[in-house]
Amino acid sequence: DAGVIQSPRHEVTEMGQEVTLRCKPISGHNSLFWYRQTMMRGLELLIYFNNNVPIDDSGMPEDRFSAKMPNASFSTLKIQPSEPRDSAVYFCASSFVRGDEQFFGPGTRLTVL
Amino acid sequence: GNSVTQMEGPVTLSEEAFLTINCTYTATGYPSLFWYVQYPGEGLQLLLKATKADDKGSNKGFEATYRKETTSFHLEKGSVQVSDSAVYFCASGGGADGLTFGKGTHLIIQP
Repeated sequence: DAGVIQSPRHEVTEMGQEVTLRCKPISGHNSLFWYRQTMMRGLELLIYFNNNVPIDDSGMPEDRFSAKMPNASFSTLKIQPSEPRDSAVYFCASSFVRGDEQFFGPGTRLTVL
Repeated sequence: GNSVTQMEGPVTLSEEAFLTINCTYTATGYPSLFWYVQYPGEGLQLLLKATKADDKGSNKGFEATYRKETTSFHLEKGSVQVSDSAVYFCASGGGADGLTFGKGTHLIIQP
């Protein structure tokens, strides 16, 4: 298996632009997680899905952030409009069941100028 | 809710030194416990895990034992190498909310 796939690996954009991050979980995994990592805040859980349904989005910082999972093999995290404080590394992870080992993707490094 | 506390870093050691990174957890029931490692520029990778009390997880010379009585899962390695320099995360799981991660400990190994 190729593991969790994220794209793009790097994204540089200007404030106010829309940003879409993509994730393909490991085939057969039922849970998908989006995290954000910064030096100041460390690793933060933004939202997670179980069987394509959003379960808890309490970590999403504000309404500018949205996430979808239209099918079992694809998820997006969208930021609209983006702001410089959104600059971070965004990770996607998947697991077979919610409380079990999570497999992380390589991350998307987002820079908002 | 669940929480995981691990020692603050950075931890700086010389090559071949003994390593301990402390981790304690609070949770209802008996969660699975994990150590993840993050090398520079990469995502988190599972290093080892334990699923029940007294289990010992081990991988690449690292070990951690699930201690129910002290709610701990300390990471140890007998002789560290420069290549072990990374950030280490302790995590607890088994609940409905996925994994709960500690803040991470930055380990620096000097030659």
